[in-house]
Amino acid sequence: KAGVTQTPRYLIKTRGQQVTLSCSPISGHRSVSWYQQTPGQGLQFLFEYFSETQRNKGNFPGRFSGRQFSNSRSEMNVSTLELGDSALYLCASSWTGLGSTEAFFGQGTRLTVV
Amino acid sequence: GENVEQHPSTLSVQEGDSAVIKCTYSDSASNYFPWYKQELGKRPQLIIDIRSNVGEKKDQRIAVTLNKTAKHFSLHITETQPEDSAVYFCAASNPGSNYQLIWGAGTKLIIKP
Repeated sequence: KAGVTQTPRYLIKTRGQQVTLSCSPISGHRSVSWYQQTPGQGLQFLFEYFSETQRNKGNFPGRFSGRQFSNSRSEMNVSTLELGDSALYLCASSWTGLGSTEAFFGQGTRLTVV
Repeated sequence: GENVEQHPSTLSVQEGDSAVIKCTYSDSASNYFPWYKQELGKRPQLIIDIRSNVGEKKDQRIAVTLNKTAKHFSLHITETQPEDSAVYFCAASNPGSNYQLIWGAGTKLIIKP
C-alpha cells in the first residue's frame, strides 16, 4: 500500500510570509502527527490530529496550526514565518494514534525561510 | 509530564562490536516504548518496540530491554555493520496522555570500519 505522502518536498519562503504543508496518511490511518526537525534538535512534536480533532499539542507558538479533513489528510500552516522556522517538517500517521500502534513517517517537507 | 532522556548523544563503535543506547523515562504510567532509526536523509522508521508487560524483546541483531522499576529501557545492537550507522530515537507513551509519544533527543551511531 502507498506510504505517507508529504507535499511539497521543498519550499523556500520569505520571512513574514505564511506556508501550508500537506500530509496524506496511509489509507485507513486516522491519526496524523506533525514534527519539526532541525539539525541537532531531534523530533520536536507540534500536534496530533485524530478523526479531525486535535488530540495532542506540543509547545509551539500559535503561529503553528493544523487541521485534519474527513479523509484523514492533514495540513499544517505556519504564519508570519521567521528565519528560525527553517527545518524539516515530518508528518507521521498511524491507525489509532501514536503510542499504541506503529507510526509511519513521510519523507518530510524541507522549509527554508530567507 | 513525561520526560525521556537518551544517552549517549553520539556513539562510535568498531564494526562487529556491540552498541548500547539507554533511555530513561519519568512517568511510571508509560507502557509503550518504541525505537526508531533515521538514516541520513531518510525518514525515521520503527525498528523495534516493547510494551510494559515484557522485559525483553529480540529481533535478529537488535534487542530492547525494559526495567520498569528503574524506569529505563535500552537498545542493544550486536555485530554492528556499516548500515547500522544512523540516528536512533527512543520514545515513551502512556494512555493517560492520549498516547502522545515523548521522544528522546536521539543518538548518532557511527560504525567505524
